Amino acid sequence: GENVEQHPSTLSVQEGDSAVIKCTYSDSASNYFPWYKQELGKRPQLIIDIRSNVGEKKDQRIAVTLNKTAKHFSLHITETQPEDSAVYFCAATSNFGNEKLTFGTGTRLTIIP
Amino acid sequence: DVKVTQSSRYLVKRTGEKVFLECVQDMDHENMFWYRQDPGLGLRLIYFSYDVKMKEKGDIPEGYSVSREKKERFSLILESASTNQTSMYLCASGDGQGKNIQYFGAGTRLSVL
Repeated sequence: GENVEQHPSTLSVQEGDSAVIKCTYSDSASNYFPWYKQELGKRPQLIIDIRSNVGEKKDQRIAVTLNKTAKHFSLHITETQPEDSAVYFCAATSNFGNEKLTFGTGTRLTIIP
Repeated sequence: DVKVTQSSRYLVKRTGEKVFLECVQDMDHENMFWYRQDPGLGLRLIYFSYDVKMKEKGDIPEGYSVSREKKERFSLILESASTNQTSMYLCASGDGQGKNIQYFGAGTRLSVL
């Protein structure tokens, strides 16, 4: 089955700086890679995703890049703000029908004012 | 707005008790999932269901069972609760139409004493 590794487990950055979280996956058939954000005490919510037919996707201050050859993908947050503080989970799947996702272990991002 | 509701936010049970965790979604979604969330381990899939009365094991099904008698409701059952099942349990649903987005409930924090 799929295995997703996520690094780092914790990350602290100064407000305004950039943050990068990296994930690797094992199943070369995986073709969909979402990122979920979980604020303290709240439920995880999808913030951005990428499919294997593109290499990069942006949405305002967040972007995701995918390297299929190396089997890794990354989340980039620019101009970080206090509300970016949360736990971020990457995930991967090759199963569009049943939507079964394999999640990484999470990264706790802290933005220092 | 998708609504996934878990019946309890906090639950305290004793070792050996039978425990039911209930999840209801209001978007007519095909797929439903149960995860447990532990620090440093991320979101681990226990069971999922892609149709009424259908279920499939996830990555950590031991000690758990599930029931899906109606499309909107997915129950997680701990037949005989043990202390190592103390955790946060998250339910999610997805429409099964290839979008792969999962919508999470608020979670149930279960303590087994």
